[in-house]
Amino acid sequence: SQQGEEDPQALSIQEGENATMNCSYKTSINNLQWYRQNSGRGLVHLILIRSNEREKHSGRLRVTLDTSKKSSSLLITASRAADTASYFCATINTGKLIFGQGTTLQVKP
Amino acid sequence: DADVTQTPRNRITKTGKRIMLECSQTKGHDRMYWYRQDPGLGLRLIYYSFDVKDINKGEISDGYSVSRQAQAKFSLSLESAIPNQTALYFCATSEAGLVGDNEQFFGPGTRLTVL
Repeated sequence: SQQGEEDPQALSIQEGENATMNCSYKTSINNLQWYRQNSGRGLVHLILIRSNEREKHSGRLRVTLDTSKKSSSLLITASRAADTASYFCATINTGKLIFGQGTTLQVKP
Repeated sequence: DADVTQTPRNRITKTGKRIMLECSQTKGHDRMYWYRQDPGLGLRLIYYSFDVKDINKGEISDGYSVSRQAQAKFSLSLESAIPNQTALYFCATSEAGLVGDNEQFFGPGTRLTVL
């Protein structure tokens, strides 16, 4: 069963625009991670946010966490064509890291 | 050189054949994982190992087996491949600690096709 579910499943924007994707999860968490996957390649870790944090930044990435709503969002500002990828959230469920189904982002040049 | 390597990168096989996918890492991590990825289903955990003597089933272990030959090596076997095992397979590693506290490092993947 999926612990995290991303929304939307697919997103298409123009270069320079901001991209926002959301993750909802079911059970209480200690932290939440976001990963990026370029087409057909391995996942790359982007950011980890802990349950006592509300917001975290890394370069053009901004992650928020709302534990009361059991949701997180990933914002990519000033998107570039190179940001085209799938983005996954991951949380712990029954002692294992469980990945959501991902949001596929296309950034058009 | 890549920290997590997988061989082969691509494999086409026939139903009923035995297949082994290999994963090696130079990160010195104790923990290793095998996932499969299917379109629209994200990543699902097949098996994981917290050290050489520790092997655990994940969400979808039926039809698969693993071997942790050394800290650096974790192999996934399909004893008798079937078409619905056609997927992209990833190996990953992480440091020890509370599960979820550490990022996982992924290999480049093995694309397996079972005819």
